[in-house]
Amino acid sequence: GQNIDQPTEMTATEGAIVQINCTYQTSGFNGLFWYQQHAGEAPTFLSYNVLDGLEEKGRFSSFLSRSKGYSYLLLKELQMKDSASYLCAVSDQNNNAGNMLTFGGGTRLMVKP
Amino acid sequence: DSGVTQTPKHLITATGQRVTLRCSPRSGDLSVYWYQQSLDQGLQFLIQYYNGEERAKGNILERFSAQQFPDLHSELNLSSLELGDSALYFCASSDQTGGGGNTIYFGEGSWLTVV
Repeated sequence: GQNIDQPTEMTATEGAIVQINCTYQTSGFNGLFWYQQHAGEAPTFLSYNVLDGLEEKGRFSSFLSRSKGYSYLLLKELQMKDSASYLCAVSDQNNNAGNMLTFGGGTRLMVKP
Repeated sequence: DSGVTQTPKHLITATGQRVTLRCSPRSGDLSVYWYQQSLDQGLQFLIQYYNGEERAKGNILERFSAQQFPDLHSELNLSSLELGDSALYFCASSDQTGGGGNTIYFGEGSWLTVV
């Protein structure tokens, strides 16, 4: 099974930097995803990490440490439109039948002026 | 627009009834996934199909069932509905059956309200 933990809520100021952490425990690991979800809308893909290190994509970066079971999503130059939930999801390598992503509860980020 | 299409977008029905939610995956995608998201809850994996066959099953109730048709569209059937089944049901698709780099793309969801 899998256990994924991330903070429930975070608040940050427009223009600032925020880091959203995610820890996971899994019997097999085959990659970690971050998704953004605005209220009542579909989750949209942000990033994917399978190797240790930092993946940078514009204002968003994602970091992974497999030995620590830890990832973070870094958002720079925050904009009001970044107010959303950020979902950490882990792909389980032992699920031979398919790519079953297990999602954490999500971190609701509120960006204030 | 992810390319995954779900219908209906909104549905209100009474307890005890049965509904069917429909999903058309992105063009070329063989895998379809169903997720349930209750109010202020995380995404709960229900079931996955690949090219017409069930491949993985999560926390799906016995009152719920799904299938994937030869044209790759999928339907999620919810029966004997209870108030607690009110949720946003997402369909997602991907082009593979496995592999961590296999990103899944979500549809806009079907809002189900049971009254």
